[in-house]
Amino acid sequence: DSGVTQTPKHLITATGQRVTLRCSPRSGDLSVYWYQQSLDQGLQFLIQYYNGEERAKGNILERFSAQQFPDLHSELNLSSLELGDSALYFCASSGWGAGNTIYFGEGSWLTVV
Amino acid sequence: GIQVEQSPPDLILQEGANSTLRCNFSDSVNNLQWFHQNPWGQLINLFYIPSGTKQNGRLSATTVATERYSLLYISSSQTTDSGVYFCAVNNDMRFGAGTRLTVKP
Repeated sequence: DSGVTQTPKHLITATGQRVTLRCSPRSGDLSVYWYQQSLDQGLQFLIQYYNGEERAKGNILERFSAQQFPDLHSELNLSSLELGDSALYFCASSGWGAGNTIYFGEGSWLTVV
Repeated sequence: GIQVEQSPPDLILQEGANSTLRCNFSDSVNNLQWFHQNPWGQLINLFYIPSGTKQNGRLSATTVATERYSLLYISSSQTTDSGVYFCAVNNDMRFGAGTRLTVKP
């Protein structure tokens, strides 16, 4: 158990809908990352937050947004869903800076039908 | 941004064989980590290694920061080593495309 909790574990929804994925980081970790992994694809970095503020942005679509709340949990909002958004979405957390190991949650499987 | 390239993309071994996986990066890094994604999708951190050498059981890793590469060594491979191995760099943890390792009994 990495200590990073993601919910839901599985989600099936229709095209055009909106979903929210939730992540609770490890106790004490201030940094949260979101990644998308499509079938047989690598890990695409979406966005990183540190203590409530956006720190880095990757290939995140405009239809997607995220935030980190004062209690440090984070949510990834996916809207106007398309079939191609079906993927495994990972959240990870770490402390800040060099030397901090990153720990991954078990992921949220999203299927868009 | 920094580019991360891993090789080989695929590797098939017989149980007991040794292997070397490589991660090249295009710029200096302050953070480099190796991960294993098992067949069930779980991502496990193997090493934090921005420079130097570390060993953990049958696995070891070496990063030569001045030459911008890192190597992951797996010795006496077992079927449970199968999966995808990723390296990731810097504070925003940009990942390479991974090496898919299959260990056959």
